[in-house]
Amino acid sequence: EDQVTQSPEALRLQEGESSSLNCSYTVSGLRGLFWYRQDPGKGPEFLFTLYSAGEEKEKERLKATLTKKESFLHITAPKPEDSATYLCAVQAETNDYKLSFGAGTTVTVRA
Amino acid sequence: KAGVTQTPRYLIKTRGQQVTLSCSPISGHRSVSWYQQTPGQGLQFLFEYFSETQRNKGNFPGRFSGRQFSNSRSEMNVSTLELGDSALYLCASYDPGQGAPEAFFGQGTRLTVV
Repeated sequence: EDQVTQSPEALRLQEGESSSLNCSYTVSGLRGLFWYRQDPGKGPEFLFTLYSAGEEKEKERLKATLTKKESFLHITAPKPEDSATYLCAVQAETNDYKLSFGAGTTVTVRA
Repeated sequence: KAGVTQTPRYLIKTRGQQVTLSCSPISGHRSVSWYQQTPGQGLQFLFEYFSETQRNKGNFPGRFSGRQFSNSRSEMNVSTLELGDSALYLCASYDPGQGAPEAFFGQGTRLTVV
């Protein structure tokens, strides 16, 4: 069974204080690893898809990287609007698009 | 392009009742999945439909069921509601043309069972 573990559970940052979130995974054949952002009371919002080890993607202050066993989401010089729960999910090479999610990391950025 | 639309946004039901939730995917998306999100269990996969056929089902009791119509709209039904069914139910649609299609989620339906 696919498993995804995210750490830490919660992260409190000062505005401008860079940090990283970790996502460890086990999957029988990775089709893609996904990062989502979720604000309270809303559905997850897509951020990135990573397909193979060594791949990196960036969007504004966020950068996602992938190895064979884990992924990192780096937040550079965060702002209060980056406060959210960040979810990691894996999709296996099967005949469907099922996503297996981690529990998420809740990031709070103080001004 | 309109996003994934879920209705209703909020529901309060009594134990033992049944409930039907609705999801309209992004235009052109033929695959729809449903997830249950609770504080204790996080996001759990319920089932996935593609062209009206269920392709996969998560580890949930038979009280949870779903279907997809020819226009790709989907419904899920929960019968004999229990207190533990209180959760945010999320629907996602996918563009099957992509290699690893990302899921586009709706705002969810917040179900409270009392």
